[in-house]
Amino acid sequence: GNSVTQMEGPVTLSEEAFLTINCTYTATGYPSLFWYVQYPGEGLQLLLKATKADDKGSNKGFEATYRKETTSFHLEKGSVQVSDSAVYFCALKRGAAGNKLTFGGGTRVLVKP
Amino acid sequence: GAVVSQHPSWVICKSGTSVKIECRSLDFQATTMFWYRQFPKQSLMLMATSNEGSKATYEQGVEKDKFLINHASLTLSTLTVTSAHPEDSSFYICSARDRDRAYEQYFGPGTRLTVT
Repeated sequence: GNSVTQMEGPVTLSEEAFLTINCTYTATGYPSLFWYVQYPGEGLQLLLKATKADDKGSNKGFEATYRKETTSFHLEKGSVQVSDSAVYFCALKRGAAGNKLTFGGGTRVLVKP
Repeated sequence: GAVVSQHPSWVICKSGTSVKIECRSLDFQATTMFWYRQFPKQSLMLMATSNEGSKATYEQGVEKDKFLINHASLTLSTLTVTSAHPEDSSFYICSARDRDRAYEQYFGPGTRLTVT
C-alpha cells in the first residue's frame, strides 16, 4: 500500500535559519505529492504540490522537488521566520479523481526569534 | 475561493450524548468529502469518505454506527458522534474535494470535541 515517512520533530530553529524536512514515500505508479501546513489551532492548508517527476512545487519561500529516483519530496526554506512555526505534513495521492490522501506523521517546526 | 467551514469549532459534551459536526463547502460543489480524526501531536487518520447522495465508505476499524455520516447535498456533510465517550475526544477535520478544480482537496479548520 501507499505510505509516507517524514522526519520526526520537533525541529527547533532560529529565525533566518535554513529548514529542511525530509519526506520519502512508497507507492505504485506515479502519485501526486503534497506538503500541507497546520498552524496552531487551525486546519490544514495546502502549501505546495507536485504532480510528476522532477516537478518543483513552491510557495511562500518553501520549495520541494519530486524525486522519483529517490522517492522523495523534501521540503526546504532558505530563511525561516517565527511565523513559519507550525506542523508540516507530507502527503501523497494516487490519481486525480477520487483517491484519498495518505499523510505522513507530521513534523513540528518551532522557529525562535 | 475554495473555503471549507466547520461548525462548531469546539464543543464539550457529556458522556453518553450525541454531537453533530457540520462541514460546508462555501463556494464550490463537493461531491466528495472526507472526515479525519487527529490525535494530539499525531497525523490525520482518515475515518470515512462521504459521497453526496450515497452511503459513506468507512475505513477499517472505524465504527460506522458510532460515527454517522450524512452527505445530503453538494455543500454539506455532517458527522454525528453517537453516545460519545471520553475516548472520542479529539480534533475532527473535514475536507472537501472540488470537482471543478482538478479535484483538489480543501480542509476545514477542524472541530475540537471534548467529552466529559
